[in-house]
Amino acid sequence: DQQVKQNSPSLSVQEGRISILNCDYTNSMFDYFLWYKKYPAEGPTFLISISSIKDKNEDGRFTVFLNKSAKHLSLHIVPSQPGDSAVYFCAASAPQGAQKLVFGQGTRLTINP
Amino acid sequence: DSGVTQTPKHLITATGQRVTLRCSPRSGDLSVYWYQQSLDQGLQFLIQYYNGEERAKGNILERFSAQQFPDLHSELNLSSLELGDSALYFCASSVGVGRHRGFYGYTFGSGTRLTVV
Repeated sequence: DQQVKQNSPSLSVQEGRISILNCDYTNSMFDYFLWYKKYPAEGPTFLISISSIKDKNEDGRFTVFLNKSAKHLSLHIVPSQPGDSAVYFCAASAPQGAQKLVFGQGTRLTINP
Repeated sequence: DSGVTQTPKHLITATGQRVTLRCSPRSGDLSVYWYQQSLDQGLQFLIQYYNGEERAKGNILERFSAQQFPDLHSELNLSSLELGDSALYFCASSVGVGRHRGFYGYTFGSGTRLTVV
């Protein structure tokens, strides 16, 4: 039962352009969403989050959009830089469940010079 | 350095064996989570401990067990290992057990790569 899905295993974007990573979820109880970034041989690191009471959250080059009716969120990176090349995981949390995060499968983003 | 320490970084063992993975949470964090990442899979939640007590259980096999000690470090024990158990095992920690204002999720360690041959 994959409650959080990232349907694109990989994405390739030219440096300076916009990167858009997508995530869909099925559990309507999720009310908090996070994006993590993972480099090889390292653990995932927190990038940005959004509460379900908002539809947009911005932090520098990173913006997360939430469409609750479509159960869809996206991460926009503008402009994309070579250091953004990593695997990005979408995660979701419900009010119950002791803070447990449910993760998607990840999308490997490659930024080409 | 995230502050979450996992040892060992790599482990190669034979089928049928038992191994123990160790995790020291970030200073001040009381909750420890274990996740498994198999090839091309997302992070699968295994189990959570808070201040020594089990708080949530995911898709953890009966051959796997975990505990959190009084000094808050945690160990994940994997027994009767099978080839399919080969994966990255991540430990993560957070301050509390419930979500709080400014919740930033977890802090992850760099993982233990387990290879069963």
